[in-house]
Amino acid sequence: EVQLVESGGGLVQPGGSLRLSCAASGFTFSSYAMSWVRQAPGKGLEWVSAISGSGGSTYYADSVKGRFTISRDNSKNTLYLQMNSLRAEDTAVYYCAKDRRKMATISAFDYWGQGTLVTVSS
Amino acid sequence: DIQMTQSPSSLSASVGDRVTITCQASQDISNYLNWYQQKPGKAPKLLIYDASNLETGVPSRFSGSGSGTDFTFTISSLQPEDIATYYCQQYDNLPPDGAFGGGTKVEIK
Repeated sequence: EVQLVESGGGLVQPGGSLRLSCAASGFTFSSYAMSWVRQAPGKGLEWVSAISGSGGSTYYADSVKGRFTISRDNSKNTLYLQMNSLRAEDTAVYYCAKDRRKMATISAFDYWGQGTLVTVSS
Repeated sequence: DIQMTQSPSSLSASVGDRVTITCQASQDISNYLNWYQQKPGKAPKLLIYDASNLETGVPSRFSGSGSGTDFTFTISSLQPEDIATYYCQQYDNLPPDGAFGGGTKVEIK
C-alpha cells in the first residue's frame, strides 16, 4: 500500500526557515517524480515544486523560486522541501504527491500525503 | 504560463442530477489534463487522468472528455458522497505554474 507521510510543519516567523519531509513507502520511490502542492486556508491548490525520480531535475513555481529547495534521498525513501525567507503568503497546508507515471516528471498525482500545516506569522 | 479557467466556481444540484464542470486552457494542452476531488479537510483524490481515463477504483458515474483547450468533467448521477470541490490540473508545460484550475464546489440542493 502506498503511503506518504509529511512532517515538519509548524509556526515560523516571517523571514524564517522550515524543512518539510515526506516519508514514502509501498512503491519504488526512485522510479517516480514527486511534487509538493500547497493549499492556503480556504483557497485552491497550488503546485509548488517537483523533482525527478533520480533527483537530477527540479522545478519550481515562480512564487517560491530562489527561496524553496526540493530534494530527495532515495536511500531513505524521503522527499524534502527546504523553505527559506518565508512570507505570510506561504501559509498553507503542504502536500507531497506522487506522480502516477513511472519515469515521468509531472503528469497526474495519484497518491497524496495527509498534508502538514505551515503558518508564517509573527 | 498556461492559465486554467474552471467554471462554474460553485454549483448546487439535486441527488441524481447530471453535473458538468468545464475547464478551459489558455493554449493547446492536448489531453494533458487531470481531474481531482477534494473533500473538506482531506487530500485531493485523482479521478480522471489524461482527460478521459478513469483512475482505478473510481465509480463509473465520473467521466471526462475534451482535448486541446476545452475539457469537461461529468458526474452522471450526483450522489450525496460526491459533495466536494473538484479541480482540473494541466501538465503540458514544465514547470506547470498555474497547473490547477480554481476549483468547483459542488453542493446538494
